[in-house]
Amino acid sequence: NAGVTQTPKFQVLKTGQSMTLQCAQDMNHEYMSWYRQDPGMGLRLIHYSVGAGITDQGEVPNGYNVSRSTTEDFPLRLLSAAPSQTSVYFCASSYRGDGNYEQYFGPGTRLTVT
Amino acid sequence: ILNVEQSPQSLHVQEGDSTNFTCSFPSSNFYALHWYRWETAKSPEALFVMTLNGDEKKKGRISATLNTKEGYSYLYIKGSQPEDSATYLCAFRDPGTYKYIFGTGTRLKVLA
Repeated sequence: NAGVTQTPKFQVLKTGQSMTLQCAQDMNHEYMSWYRQDPGMGLRLIHYSVGAGITDQGEVPNGYNVSRSTTEDFPLRLLSAAPSQTSVYFCASSYRGDGNYEQYFGPGTRLTVT
Repeated sequence: ILNVEQSPQSLHVQEGDSTNFTCSFPSSNFYALHWYRWETAKSPEALFVMTLNGDEKKKGRISATLNTKEGYSYLYIKGSQPEDSATYLCAFRDPGTYKYIFGTGTRLKVLA
């Protein structure tokens, strides 16, 4: 199993550009989530999904969209990039979201917005 | 907004020392608490999932306890080794939701 994969690993965007961060898992996990990691802030939840077709907002959803058309994929879209979105983005998946199962994290995408 | 706090923020210990860290969370309506280990340049990896008051989990030299009534969990490392150097995160499941709130972590450095 590849586990949780994320692409790209690094990305530089100009303010106002849009892009999609890709996340895929091959463990048939129902629960998937996106976090951003900023210095001194820990991991903050952006959006999450408890299954195909079901998504919901986390702590910091503004400026980001998600969709979950398949169990395997959970892309994160930046609609109009801003310097405040410079961060490291982690995707994670879990067998279920009910708290009884650990999350598996992808390798991260480092995004810089200039 | 739920507050999940970890202390200390950072810690330096000598090889062979035992150490412990704290994760504090709201004590009402508990669902689950997770501990993760996060090495530099890698992704967080799950250590423990704790769901019941009084839970004690152990993996090698690392163990964790849970007190949901007073809202804290301790992570213990016995006989610290340089390879234990990492940031240790706790994550609290927001009751009634599927959201996880992470603490800011305890950064451990074990000196050889």
